[in-house]
Amino acid sequence: AQSVTQLDSQVPVFEEAPVELRCNYSSSVSVYLFWYVQYPNQGLQLLLKYLSGSTLVKGINGFEAEFNKSQTSFHLRKPSVHISDTAEYFCAVSPLGGSYIPTFGRGTSLIVHP
Amino acid sequence: DVKVTQSSRYLVKRTGEKVFLECVQDMDHENMFWYRQDPGLGLRLIYFSYDVKMKEKGDIPEGYSVSREKKERFSLILESASTNQTSMYLCASSAASNQPQHFGDGTRLSIL
Repeated sequence: AQSVTQLDSQVPVFEEAPVELRCNYSSSVSVYLFWYVQYPNQGLQLLLKYLSGSTLVKGINGFEAEFNKSQTSFHLRKPSVHISDTAEYFCAVSPLGGSYIPTFGRGTSLIVHP
Repeated sequence: DVKVTQSSRYLVKRTGEKVFLECVQDMDHENMFWYRQDPGLGLRLIYFSYDVKMKEKGDIPEGYSVSREKKERFSLILESASTNQTSMYLCASSAASNQPQHFGDGTRLSIL
């Protein structure tokens, strides 16, 4: 079984500042890792994913994340945020092989202030 | 572009009614999922299906059932709606566990 912890439920930040949204996971098997974004009144959409290879993954809208196997973390970063980045962000893990069911964190609300 | 379509964005029903939420995907995905989303609780899996006519319970299946008669369509049924089922319901599909899920825009359901 897997579990995902998003350490911050809410992250306020000023426009053009850098931001990091933290995600830690636990799993007895190797996993795939995902970050999704949810804008108000919409479904989730994929920001980026880590399947294998380079541990630094680049996604859409200038976001990137780094997989750290020893710390079982997959933190999301952006060097300079915009007002339009205000949204809910979800980290998810999915086991290699077997079950198709991903496990989601509870989400982090990113609030960008002008 | 890939698309997951949920039949209603907003729905208001009365307690005791039988409620159907429909979801259609056009990507020929094997796997389909129903979640409910509540503030502070994230996404909770209600049911999922990995093939036509196959279904598995998720974390919170009580009070719900599902139907998957065709590959592209996955329906969530509230047998007798109750006020604690007021929530945002999200449908998703995926090709495999190493592939991301594609989500619909959600149905905001209110039970009065």
